[in-house]
Amino acid sequence: SQTIHQWPATLVQPVGSPLSLECTVEGTSNPNLYWYRQAAGRGLQLLFYSVGIGQISSEVPQNLSASRPQDRQFILSSKKLLLSDSGFYLCAWSTTGGSGNTIYFGEGSWLTVV
Amino acid sequence: AQKITQTQPGMFVQEKEAVTLDCTYDTSDPSYGLFWYKQPSSGEMIFLIYQGSYDQQNATEGRYSLNFQKARKSANLVISASQLGDSAMYFCAMREINQGGKLIFGQGTELSVKP
Repeated sequence: SQTIHQWPATLVQPVGSPLSLECTVEGTSNPNLYWYRQAAGRGLQLLFYSVGIGQISSEVPQNLSASRPQDRQFILSSKKLLLSDSGFYLCAWSTTGGSGNTIYFGEGSWLTVV
Repeated sequence: AQKITQTQPGMFVQEKEAVTLDCTYDTSDPSYGLFWYKQPSSGEMIFLIYQGSYDQQNATEGRYSLNFQKARKSANLVISASQLGDSAMYFCAMREINQGGKLIFGQGTELSVKP
């Protein structure tokens, strides 16, 4: 069966420091991968999605970036964090981009920028 | 314009009763999928139920059913026989075939089940 893992689960970082959140999927090949962010008490905002290695689409201009160095690995990064980057970050995957394919989420990473 | 609208920020329901969580959507795409997710306080997003735009019957999964009214562009979630463990945030979401598989979420409804 397929599983998705992301880490670290919790992170407290000072303003201006770098960020790296990692996500891996097991049990499937060539998945679509997604990074979402959820601010406190709000809905999920799509940040990036990828349909293949090295293929990244950005949804929202920001100081975050994403990379997909391997088929089942998705990394969210920042060179210098802002206070507004605080939130709950969720990695997700689906088999393809078809409208009927369910997207499954990882456990999430809580980021607090201080 | 909002693609997914959930008009109920918070809802209360008595244990063992049924509750309906509202969701309306906006799309011009003929092929789309509608999803409901549950998010407990731990933060994980749990997939509950799916309805395809071409499905003739309403989807059901155990105590969850989706009241799909295509002409009204609504996809309400019905939870029957509420349990204390149903207390959580509930999100409605949509995937459009022509939008690269992106899942767009509503703002969510916080459901509290009272004993």
